[in-house]
Amino acid sequence: DAGVTQSPTHLIKTRGQQVTLRCSPKSGHDTVSWYQQALGQGPQFIFQYYEEEERQRGNFPDRFSGHQFPNYSSELNVNALLLGDSALYLCASSHGSPEQFFGPGTRLTVL
Amino acid sequence: DAKTTQPPSMDCAEGRAANLPCNHSTISGNEYVYWYRQIHSQGPQYIIHGLKNNETNEMASLIITEDRKSSTLILPHATLRDTAVYYCIVRRLTGGSSNTGKLIFGQGTTLQVKP
Repeated sequence: DAGVTQSPTHLIKTRGQQVTLRCSPKSGHDTVSWYQQALGQGPQFIFQYYEEEERQRGNFPDRFSGHQFPNYSSELNVNALLLGDSALYLCASSHGSPEQFFGPGTRLTVL
Repeated sequence: DAKTTQPPSMDCAEGRAANLPCNHSTISGNEYVYWYRQIHSQGPQYIIHGLKNNETNEMASLIITEDRKSSTLILPHATLRDTAVYYCIVRRLTGGSSNTGKLIFGQGTTLQVKP
């Protein structure tokens, strides 16, 4: 079992561009959550997907959107990138359990 | 979800027990205490969770006070590989497979295990 995988590992974009990050959940997991972690801070919840729908959302603007596919994998899209969007983006998966399994993250740098 | 307070940093000698405190004085009756840790450059890793009874697993023990306003995570024999940021999180355990819910992370405690 590969666990939670994320791609790409690192990404560099410029302000105003759009980015798509991808996540494959742990085998058997149907719920995917996304978090943003700025340098030196704890992860901040962005949103959670289950059954291809957004179920919960944190305090993030509409520039942040997502999608979940029938195979439970998920994408995080960020439009009109700002310098402040530079962070580690973490994906976590779960299935009816309080334990969430996190991936290694995607490091996004916005120049 | 209730807010938690943790010391920003702690040191521990290798082989000794590491005791990480967490204050959650506003915890509600249906809220659980969770602990995660994040080793540098990795995603957070679940350690343990509990409601009101003490819990133990292969990684750690969780001691929750009788009034549930504070808890302590115990790593019985800390190793260098336990150096990480440890997060104490309090949240409700909602029902159904669809809703494991969000985790609200604070700043955590940076534990440095020294040889």
